[in-house]
Amino acid sequence: LAKTTQPISMDSYEGQEVNITCSHNNIATNDYITWYQQFPSQGPRFIIQGYKTKVTNEVASLFIPADRKSSTLSLPRVSLSDTAVYYCLVGNNAGNMLTFGGGTRLMVKP
Amino acid sequence: NAGVTQTPKFQVLKTGQSMTLQCAQDMNHEYMSWYRQDPGMGLRLIHYSVGAGITDQGEVPNGYNVSRSTTEDFPLRLLSAAPSQTSVYFCASSQTTGRFEKLFFGSGTQLSVL
Repeated sequence: LAKTTQPISMDSYEGQEVNITCSHNNIATNDYITWYQQFPSQGPRFIIQGYKTKVTNEVASLFIPADRKSSTLSLPRVSLSDTAVYYCLVGNNAGNMLTFGGGTRLMVKP
Repeated sequence: NAGVTQTPKFQVLKTGQSMTLQCAQDMNHEYMSWYRQDPGMGLRLIHYSVGAGITDQGEVPNGYNVSRSTTEDFPLRLLSAAPSQTSVYFCASSQTTGRFEKLFFGSGTQLSVL
């Protein structure tokens, strides 16, 4: 299993850009990297997914270096509603080797 | 569209009791899975299924059984509950496993074993 490591918590202020990095040193060739957001008393919700280089959607960007041993989730101009726990997931396309990181608790302050 | 539905939301068991956590999805997803979430440990895969009639073990399968008789349902059974199984349980599904798809999660079941 690919072991993932994330910072336990981060603080930010409204309007700032937030970057959360996940380390996955033993990522396998077939593994994808996916980020999820979780609010209290809810299940995680998909944010973004990538394999290499950069991926961008309407809510976030995902940066993956060439060696793929880490990835960075970038949230532009965060708001109070972005306060949540963010999980990095590394998994292969068979769905049987899925390793979530311990999660990063992001607190956005006014 | 209900998505992934888990029942019950809360449950308290005594050590040694058995129970079944229910999970149903209405998206015709092939892949379904169960996770447990413990403080500071993220989510760990318990069991998963790539289609009706097919199940397999994840990272932490001991003490849990699953079955997949239909595409829609994927129940998780605790045969003899132990305090170590106190956790929040999430069911998730995705459309296929040919390419790693995004997971859709239920809202969770909070289980306490006394």
